[in-house]
Amino acid sequence: EDQVTQSPEALRLQEGESSSLNCSYTVSGLRGLFWYRQDPGKGPEFLFTLYSAGEEKEKERLKATLTKKESFLHITAPKPEDSATYLCAVQANSGYALNFGKGTSLLVTP
Amino acid sequence: DVKVTQSSRYLVKRTGEKVFLECVQDMDHENMFWYRQDPGLGLRLIYFSYDVKMKEKGDIPEGYSVSREKKERFSLILESASTNQTSMYLCASSLDRGLKPGSYEQYFGPGTRLTVT
Repeated sequence: EDQVTQSPEALRLQEGESSSLNCSYTVSGLRGLFWYRQDPGKGPEFLFTLYSAGEEKEKERLKATLTKKESFLHITAPKPEDSATYLCAVQANSGYALNFGKGTSLLVTP
Repeated sequence: DVKVTQSSRYLVKRTGEKVFLECVQDMDHENMFWYRQDPGLGLRLIYFSYDVKMKEKGDIPEGYSVSREKKERFSLILESASTNQTSMYLCASSLDRGLKPGSYEQYFGPGTRLTVT
């Protein structure tokens, strides 16, 4: 059975303090690993798709990387507006659905 | 830009009522999905559809049904609402045209916060 585990559950950073969020996964044949950002009371917003180990993608202060067992979302010099819940999900080759982790709630304070 | 819209942001219904949640996407996507999101449980798939009139059960289909009569519209139906269906409901769509880049990314609507009293 596919499993996605995100850590930590919550993270508090000072503005400018870089850190990483972890997403560990098990899946029978990975089609893609997806990162989303979700603000309170809103739907998840797509950030990145990673397809194979070694792949990296960047967007502003965010950089996502992928190995065969986990993915990291690196946040460089975060700002308060980066505060949100970050969700990781995997899709198996055999299916349509995404299997989501429970998310990491990030708070960046000024 | 992909746009997924949901018929209501907030909805309050009584136990036993029949509830319709509607979702529309404007990007000619093949697949559409309904999830619910609850604190501590994350997003869980209720149903999805890979073509007009085609549907598949997700992880938690009990108490729900769906309808997809047109490609752009996917409805979630609570036949007889119960208090344990109080939740945030999220609709998503994906292109899914084989190996085309970006095919499998799911784009979400704003969500409907349903309260059943």
